[in-house]
Amino acid sequence: DQQVKQNSPSLSVQEGRISILNCDYTNSMFDYFLWYKKYPAEGPTFLISISSIKDKNEDGRFTVFLNKSAKHLSLHIVPSQPGDSAVYFCAAGEGGKLIFGQGTELSVKP
Amino acid sequence: GAGVSQSPSNKVTEKGKDVELRCDPISGHTALYWYRQSLGQGLEFLIYFQGNSAPDKSGLPSDRFSAERTGGSVSTLTIQRTQQEDSAVYLCASSWRWGLTYEQYFGPGTRLTVT
Repeated sequence: DQQVKQNSPSLSVQEGRISILNCDYTNSMFDYFLWYKKYPAEGPTFLISISSIKDKNEDGRFTVFLNKSAKHLSLHIVPSQPGDSAVYFCAAGEGGKLIFGQGTELSVKP
Repeated sequence: GAGVSQSPSNKVTEKGKDVELRCDPISGHTALYWYRQSLGQGLEFLIYFQGNSAPDKSGLPSDRFSAERTGGSVSTLTIQRTQQEDSAVYLCASSWRWGLTYEQYFGPGTRLTVT
């Protein structure tokens, strides 16, 4: 029973365009959401987060949107750069535990 | 400053053997987490420690898995009688304290292969 789902295993985007990564969840008790970025042979690194009381959080080129009624969040990267190519995980939490999605591999082509 | 470190980086073991994986969290971080990532899967929560409180072991997949954290710092994840399905990357993370507004910092992981 996957509580956090990333239905797109991969995404390819042209440099300079927008990348949109999506994530759906089932547990309405989740109160915080995070995005992590992972390069091969490295641990995930924190990218951006959002509390369930907000619907948008922006940090430079990265914006996370939360739609609680749809139990959906998305990460927008504008403009996309080749260095953004990595696997992106969304994570949701309740209490001390984070539940991660399966990840989406983003490829940004020059 | 030093990040989260894990050792070994790679471990190949025969089915039925015991293995120990080590995690050194960032100094001063009171919370420590273990996850694993199997091929093609997301990160699966295993266990977390917060200060001197009893650990949350709810993610451990079987009683062959155990973990301890000595002196509130270094942690060891032990897998007894390893099975092929235990093959995965085991990731450790730490944070300033328990709670989701405090981002978790991950180590590079230990890739475990059970033959």
